[in-house]
Amino acid sequence: QSVLTQPPSVSGAPGQRVTISCSGSSSNIGAGYDVHWYQHLPGTAPKLLIYGDTSRPSGVPDRFSGSKSATSASLAITGLQAEDEADYYCQSYDSSLSGSVFGGGTKLTVL
Amino acid sequence: QVQLQESGPGLVKPSQTLSLTCTVSGGSIRSGAYYWSWVRQPAGKGLEWIGRIYINGATNYIPSLKSRVTISIDTSTNRFSLRLSSVTAADTAVYYCARTGTAVTPHFDPWGQGTLVTVSS
Repeated sequence: QSVLTQPPSVSGAPGQRVTISCSGSSSNIGAGYDVHWYQHLPGTAPKLLIYGDTSRPSGVPDRFSGSKSATSASLAITGLQAEDEADYYCQSYDSSLSGSVFGGGTKLTVL
Repeated sequence: QVQLQESGPGLVKPSQTLSLTCTVSGGSIRSGAYYWSWVRQPAGKGLEWIGRIYINGATNYIPSLKSRVTISIDTSTNRFSLRLSSVTAADTAVYYCARTGTAVTPHFDPWGQGTLVTVSS
């Protein structure tokens, strides 16, 4: 059971927009701690996609965007492409655990 | 750019100690600008942060593993290591090492490719 809750799967057709939610609590996202997002293809190194709630590392397309409100965060992907098919994870800090915590991951399928 | 690579045995017997090393290339582990972390992913499950270390040897561990985990650092070889004692099948996972920011809510970037460790007799 992950501290941060994500939907197990989402899907969308090429060109569409999808969002992935990340629900937390008052000891993590709700406490104001930053949320980060990663893209993970099995067998490869996870890749930082969004940091500090909304910032994109250089090289990450602006099709990817992050937002946060209260105890939840979201990752939005617009103009969906086949290469976006991957697992996506949110991550934050939890004061009760005194450490980093991840969501359970969301598998994105491009139809 | 900085790259990380995990290495170590892929098979560990139950009750024994899992030992992995992460070699950092393309940058010095001594820079002091980062922490260095271990993260694992059991098959079919999500990512779990294990712990982190700073160049002065200061460590933080996830409470559930704290009694069994030791992370160490060797700045002379640009490596840091993970030891997990008294392993069981539940410790079977892909283990990743990652550079970690020093912010209040640090992010992990970059990551190593990961190495699968199976606990089995």
